[in-house]
Amino acid sequence: GQNIDQPTEMTATEGAIVQINCTYQTSGFNGLFWYQQHAGEAPTFLSYNVLDGLEEKGRFSSFLSRSKGYSYLLLKELQMKDSASYLCAVTDSNYQLIWGAGTKLIIKP
Amino acid sequence: GAVVSQHPSWVICKSGTSVKIECRSLDFQATTMFWYRQFPKQSLMLMATSNEGSKATYEQGVEKDKFLINHASLTLSTLTVTSAHPEDSSFYICSARAPERASRPYEQYFGPGTRLTVT
Repeated sequence: GQNIDQPTEMTATEGAIVQINCTYQTSGFNGLFWYQQHAGEAPTFLSYNVLDGLEEKGRFSSFLSRSKGYSYLLLKELQMKDSASYLCAVTDSNYQLIWGAGTKLIIKP
Repeated sequence: GAVVSQHPSWVICKSGTSVKIECRSLDFQATTMFWYRQFPKQSLMLMATSNEGSKATYEQGVEKDKFLINHASLTLSTLTVTSAHPEDSSFYICSARAPERASRPYEQYFGPGTRLTVT
């Protein structure tokens, strides 16, 4: 079966750095997305990786290793507004998005 | 970016009644739309994939007679929850693909969601 694993919850301090990991086992791979979702709102796009390596976009970076079935989202200079759930999703061989359960990130002052 | 709207944003209905949720792509044509359900503190669960002009494809365990999906045009898909019960209370989110717009293949653009409460 297809499976995406992420930690359920993480806590970090304002101003610090946090890395959220995602491992996946899917039937095929056509890209990996990271989305941010605040409570009661729809997911918003953060990053997309299809090739190995690091994609940097401001305070957020995302890394992919296809051989390891592994990705991480790195958030720097954490702000209170970064408190949200972070969803990892993989596009499989049928071009369907397979979703992880999400990681709830709690930022403390 | 591509904008997707949903209406209503929240709705309260009585048990046994039906509720219709609309999902519209505002500035692009969406040949494929998706309907998700999300219970509190859980991740998105895909309910069905809807292609314009054809029947929706439902995920395993989703009752197609209870969750009616109509994708009659390239900009509108509707989800009707029939004979709603309190256990149907959830956050319903639609998304759409815009292949001609997306710089990332098969990216989905999400609507703002509809909070359904069945009393």
